[in-house]
Amino acid sequence: DTGVSQNPRHKITKRGQNVTFRCDPISEHNRLYWYRQTLGQGPEFLTYFQNEAQLEKSRLLSDRFSAERPKGSFSTLEIQRTEQGDSAMYLCASSFQTFHGYTFGSGTRLTVV
Amino acid sequence: TQLLEQSPQFLSIQEGENLTVYCNSSSVFSSLQWYRQEPGEGPVLLVTVVTGGEVKKLKRLTFQFGDARKDSSLHITAAQPGDTGLYLCAGDQTGANNLFFGTGTRLTVIP
Repeated sequence: DTGVSQNPRHKITKRGQNVTFRCDPISEHNRLYWYRQTLGQGPEFLTYFQNEAQLEKSRLLSDRFSAERPKGSFSTLEIQRTEQGDSAMYLCASSFQTFHGYTFGSGTRLTVV
Repeated sequence: TQLLEQSPQFLSIQEGENLTVYCNSSSVFSSLQWYRQEPGEGPVLLVTVVTGGEVKKLKRLTFQFGDARKDSSLHITAAQPGDTGLYLCAGDQTGANNLFFGTGTRLTVIP
């Protein structure tokens, strides 16, 4: 297992388009998290899955955002009708338990033009 | 509301100098973690501290958790250019399903 994998690494899209990101966590980890990070800031929590169940969503996750984790394996994060304010690094992480620490992927950098 | 405030926000030092980064909150955390992040990459876990007053050492890095479990510090001895990066603290609160990340300290070590 080579860690958490995220695709694509970079995405440039026009405002109003839909985008989808994929995250492949460490296979033994049952917890999966999505965070968003803007320049100069720490990561902000978006949503959390335990196995296939989405157990928590941040208020940052507007109706344009949806995340899935079918069969408790990989996860996708979709943003519909992108806005310039969605430009950020989207980070995926997985873990056994929160206090064990997260293993992050390299992130997907989204630029909305 | 920012749960975890880090200071300083930016730090630029010469190779060989010592430095301390602080992570403060008014909230109590069941554990606190430190991560280092390089440009274009995700954060990498350095250490987890769990017990109030706990001190952990990782080579030239010393981490301390405050007695009241509301704050933490990271001390680097004889900094090297390879220490350059964004240092993030992250807290785990009882009952929460996710980590809360601090604002970050961007460290630059000049050769």
